[in-house]
Order: sequence, then structure tokens, then C-alpha cells
Amino acid sequence: GIQVEQSPPDLILQEGANSTLRCNFSDSVNNLQWFHQNPWGQLINLFYIPSGTKQNGRLSATTVATERYSLLYISSSQTTDSGVYFCAVGEYGNKLVFGAGTILRVKS
Amino acid sequence: DVKVTQSSRYLVKRTGEKVFLECVQDMDHENMFWYRQDPGLGLRLIYFSYDVKMKEKGDIPEGYSVSREKKERFSLILESASTNQTSMYLCASSHIAGGNEQYFGPGTRLTVT
Repeated sequence: GIQVEQSPPDLILQEGANSTLRCNFSDSVNNLQWFHQNPWGQLINLFYIPSGTKQNGRLSATTVATERYSLLYISSSQTTDSGVYFCAVGEYGNKLVFGAGTILRVKS
Repeated sequence: DVKVTQSSRYLVKRTGEKVFLECVQDMDHENMFWYRQDPGLGLRLIYFSYDVKMKEKGDIPEGYSVSREKKERFSLILESASTNQTSMYLCASSHIAGGNEQYFGPGTRLTVT
């Protein structure tokens, strides 16, 4: 099956700093999503981005499908950005395969 | 806004009990999914359903069954709960025409003692 690797596994930032999270995947995909898991465990949809670039406020994402990677950019980080960020890709059918996540801690 | 709700945020059950976890979505999505999340193992797919009364096994179906009698509701059943089923359970739904973008419920943290 498809493999999904996220890096870095852990990241500590000072409030106001920028960061880039990476997601590599091993095969062609028809779906790629970025999620933020909040402290209560809920997965919040950030981007649906099988290809191209999208922006939403301080967050943006780029997927280069031909090179099998996606990047999530967080600018001017805030303490509320802390949590776990997951990349998930769509395999055959409707299934999502999740990466192991990046744990982000933003310090004030 | 898509809304996916789960019947309980926290649940404590005893070994051997039959446990029902309910998930409801309000966006007429065809697909619904049940995942579990465990430290060090990430999110793993238990079962999914692409239509009423239809179901397919995911990666870890053992010990679980599901029911989808209505389009908006997808139930996960633990026939005889065991301690190794203590976990966070997450339900999701997606719309075929929306590229199968999945939306998640708030999760149920189940403890089996």
C-alpha cells in the first residue's frame, strides 16, 4: 500500500515564527488532505489539495503531485497553532492513509 | 458547514460488554468511515461504507462490526469489548462529488476496563 512520511516529527517554535511541514508519499494519489488535531482530539480540515497551491489566512499548502510531496506553511505562528498536523492521502477507492503526524508546540 | 457528530465524547465500559458507537452526518454524504487512533500507531481504518447497507473492511476490522441502515448514520459495534480496544474512535464522512474530502467528528475516547 501507499506510504506517507511526514517531517519533522516534532517542532518547537517561538510565537511569531514561520514553519514548513512536509509530507512525502510513495504513489500517485487522487486526494491529499492536511488536518490539525486540536487538544480535544478533533481533526480539523485545513486543506484539500491533491495538486496546486491554496492559501487560508496564515496557512498555505502546496502539492507537487508529479514529485509526490506536499508542504504546509504556517506563518506568524500563534500558541493556538499548537497540536498535531496530519497529512493524509487517498488510496484506491475512498480510503485515506495517514502519516504519523508532526507535533507542533508554539511557545509564547 | 459539514457536521459530523458522535454519540459520546467519553465512554467507559467493562470487558465483555457490547458497545455501540454512533455517528451521524448531516450533509447527505455517501461515504462514512470509522478509524481508531492509538499512540505510536496513528490513525487506522476499521470499516467504511459507501452506501446504505454496504460495508467494506478496512485495515483492522477484527473484533468490530458496523451497521448502516440509514444514509446519515453509521454505527460501530464492539460485540464483546476487550481492553485492547481502549482507544480514540473517529468517524468521518465524504461526498463522492467532492473528491472524497473527508470530514471528521469530534471523536469518542473509549476505555474498556
